[in-house]
Order: sequence, then structure tokens, then C-alpha cells
Amino acid sequence: AQSVAQPEDQVNVAEGNPLTVKCTYSVSGNPYLFWYVQYPNRGLQFLLKYITGDNLVKGSYGFEAEFNKSQTSFHLKKPSALVSDSALYFCAVRDNNAGNMLTFGGGTRLMVKP
Amino acid sequence: SQTIHQWPATLVQPVGSPLSLECTVEGTSNPNLYWYRQAAGRGLQLLFYSVGIGQISSEVPQNLSASRPQDRQFILSSKKLLLSDSGFYLCAWSDQGASGYTFGSGTRLTVV
Repeated sequence: AQSVAQPEDQVNVAEGNPLTVKCTYSVSGNPYLFWYVQYPNRGLQFLLKYITGDNLVKGSYGFEAEFNKSQTSFHLKKPSALVSDSALYFCAVRDNNAGNMLTFGGGTRLMVKP
Repeated sequence: SQTIHQWPATLVQPVGSPLSLECTVEGTSNPNLYWYRQAAGRGLQLLFYSVGIGQISSEVPQNLSASRPQDRQFILSSKKLLLSDSGFYLCAWSDQGASGYTFGSGTRLTVV
């Protein structure tokens, strides 16, 4: 079975400060990992993914995520937060040996204050 | 390029009325299709998924049903809506590779 946890319901940061949104996962095989962002009353938008290769993945809007196999984590980061980054963020995992189903975390609301 | 269309964007329906939400995908064939519900702007609840025409898997027992009459069409239905069916409904598709899901823009359903 595969699972993913986002331990923080909400993350508050000041504009211009670095941000981190945490994600940990559990799979029996090798993970495919994803981050999505959702703005109010909109569908989820793809930010970035890790399949294989470099542990640091760069994505849209200046976001990046680091795959850490030993800690089974895939934290989302951005060096300098913008007010417009305020949204709901979802981490998702797929076991590459278990079909195409993604398992989503519960979501973390990011609030960036001016 | 592939696109996903979901409609309507918003819907207000009385209790006991029927429901039909439609989702179509363009630019791909044999997609995996998914219906999710999101309550109160938080977590996603997988309702149904389909790996092919006429093949529907239900994840939770509920007042809803899904159908896939064509390869790239996925319909969410109810014969009689309940107040608890209110929420934000999202359709998504994926291919057989490692590209993850692409989501539609969502339908805000309010049952009154």
C-alpha cells in the first residue's frame, strides 16, 4: 500500500522569506512523487514531479522539491515567497510497481503575508 | 495537446433532484479517468475511477454513480441529491506513463 502525509494543515510565511511545505511518503517499491497547487474554486495544477535522477527537482513558479530517500520525504520549497503563492498544496505519490493510481496527501494551506 | 473539459462550473440543485456532471478529454486515447470530491476546500476523496469504456470502480458507497459511455467521456450522476452531496467535484485523467494527473477546472455543487 502507498500513503503520503502532509503534517501541517497550514504554513504561514512572510513575503520574501523562504518557504517549505512538508511531505513524507510510504511505498513498497520506488516512488513517483508529485506536487500540485490549487487556487480557490479551481482544479489542481501540476507543479513538479520526481521520477528518477537528480534529487532536486525544479518546477513551475520558482518552486523546487528535494527527494530524500532515507527520510522518505519530498518537501516543497521556494527561496522567496510571494503573496500570490498563497494557495492549497497537495503532495501525491505513486508506487511505480502498483499501477497508475496516485495517493494524495490531505493538503497544506500556504498563507504568505505581505 | 491534451485538454480536459468539465462542466458546469457551478450548480445549485434542490434536494431530491437528479445530477449529471460531464467530463471529456481531448488529444489522447484510452485515458484513465477519475472523479474526486473535495469538501470545505481541503482533502480529496476519490469517488470513482475508470481504466476503460464501461469499466468503473467505486471507492466509497454513496448516493452517486459514474459511467463511461465513450473512451474520453466520464459522467457523474445521481438520481436524487442529498444535502451531503454538496461539494467541489473534480475530474482528472492520466495516461499509462509517469505523467501524473491532469485535473479539470471543477464543479461547485450546492444542494439546497
